[in-house]
Amino acid sequence: GQNIDQPTEMTATEGAIVQINCTYQTSGFNGLFWYQQHAGEAPTFLSYNVLDGLEEKGRFSSFLSRSKGYSYLLLKELQMKDSASYLCAVTTDSWGKLQFGAGTQVVVTP
Amino acid sequence: EPEVTQTPSHQVTQMGQEVILRCVPISNHLYFYWYRQILGQKVEFLVSFYNNEISEKSEIFDDQFSVERPDGSNFTLKIRSTKLEDSAMYFCASSAQGEQFFGPGTRLTVL
Repeated sequence: GQNIDQPTEMTATEGAIVQINCTYQTSGFNGLFWYQQHAGEAPTFLSYNVLDGLEEKGRFSSFLSRSKGYSYLLLKELQMKDSASYLCAVTTDSWGKLQFGAGTQVVVTP
Repeated sequence: EPEVTQTPSHQVTQMGQEVILRCVPISNHLYFYWYRQILGQKVEFLVSFYNNEISEKSEIFDDQFSVERPDGSNFTLKIRSTKLEDSAMYFCASSAQGEQFFGPGTRLTVL
């Protein structure tokens, strides 16, 4: 079967760093996406990894290890507006469906 | 910046009624998708569409569901006879390659 696992909730202080882990077991792999979703809104794209290693994009970085079926999203210099759900999603072909994890709710406290 | 749009933002219907949810994908995108998210649950894939035909569908996408691209811009999801369990947020997404861009969603409430 397909499994994408991520922690349910994480809490961190404004200005701190938080790392959200995602492990996946899927039949095939063609890329891993991270999306941010605020309550009642659509997912918005944050990052995409298809090769092993780290992708950095401003305050957000994402890492992938295909051999371990593992990714993480690193959020630096946390701001209150970063309070949201962070969704890990895997695709098994170039233009195919996204299979989402249940999301990690990040709560940023003052 | 181009974006995916969806109408209506909120639809309330009676069980057994038909609903049509509308989406306008980003204009140069060729791949279209519908997802749904039941309140408090994960985003679930329904169907993907390319070159005027369904390329993949999930177990959720049964005979009650259909999709259509009636003209060069709109992409619709029809639910023929709604059930209570169809209540969810429905997201349309489109893609040129790789990243999928999501619309704001239609919240469907079935009474």
